[in-house]
Amino acid sequence: SQTIHQWPATLVQPVGSPLSLECTVEGTSNPNLYWYRQAAGRGLQLLFYSVGIGQISSEVPQNLSASRPQDRQFILSSKKLLLSDSGFYLCACRQSSSYNSPLHFGNGTRLTVT
Amino acid sequence: AQSVTQLDSQVPVFEEAPVELRCNYSSSVSVYLFWYVQYPNQGLQLLLKYLSGSTLVESINGFEAEFNKSQTSFHLRKPSVHISDTAEYFCAVTNTGNQFYFGTGTSLTVIP
Repeated sequence: SQTIHQWPATLVQPVGSPLSLECTVEGTSNPNLYWYRQAAGRGLQLLFYSVGIGQISSEVPQNLSASRPQDRQFILSSKKLLLSDSGFYLCACRQSSSYNSPLHFGNGTRLTVT
Repeated sequence: AQSVTQLDSQVPVFEEAPVELRCNYSSSVSVYLFWYVQYPNQGLQLLLKYLSGSTLVESINGFEAEFNKSQTSFHLRKPSVHISDTAEYFCAVTNTGNQFYFGTGTSLTVIP
């Protein structure tokens, strides 16, 4: 079964500082990978998804970016954080070989921008 | 694009009482439906899924959901809730594409 590792679990960063969140996946090859953000008390917002190395689709214009340097590695970055970037960031994966397979989530990173 | 509506943002219920969490989706062919549960400061865990076949699907901890194509609904039910069921519940839908569409979530609070 798939296992998703996300780190760090919590992060406090000042406004204007850079960001790098990493997600790695075990137990599957060539997965579809996703970054979601969850603001306090709200639902999930899809930020990026990737169907392969170097292939990134952006769902929401923002100061965040994503990269997929390896098959099972997905990185979320920012050059300068904004207060509005605070939230709970979730990485998810899905088997690309099955169009009805569910998403599996990591444990998330809680980011507080001060 | 698909849309998912969870009509109730908060549902308080007494322990051992029944509960129904409602979910409606926009009509489309070949939809696949999921319920996820999220405990505080954790990721989402898959609770149950409807892919095809029997319209009633069950989870290992007593939840069930029924796919109703004519009403485009996938409501989640449990006949008797426990304190440990207190969590956020999300309904999600996908089709043959790469994207999942989530509802805004329902916060279930079980009162002792």
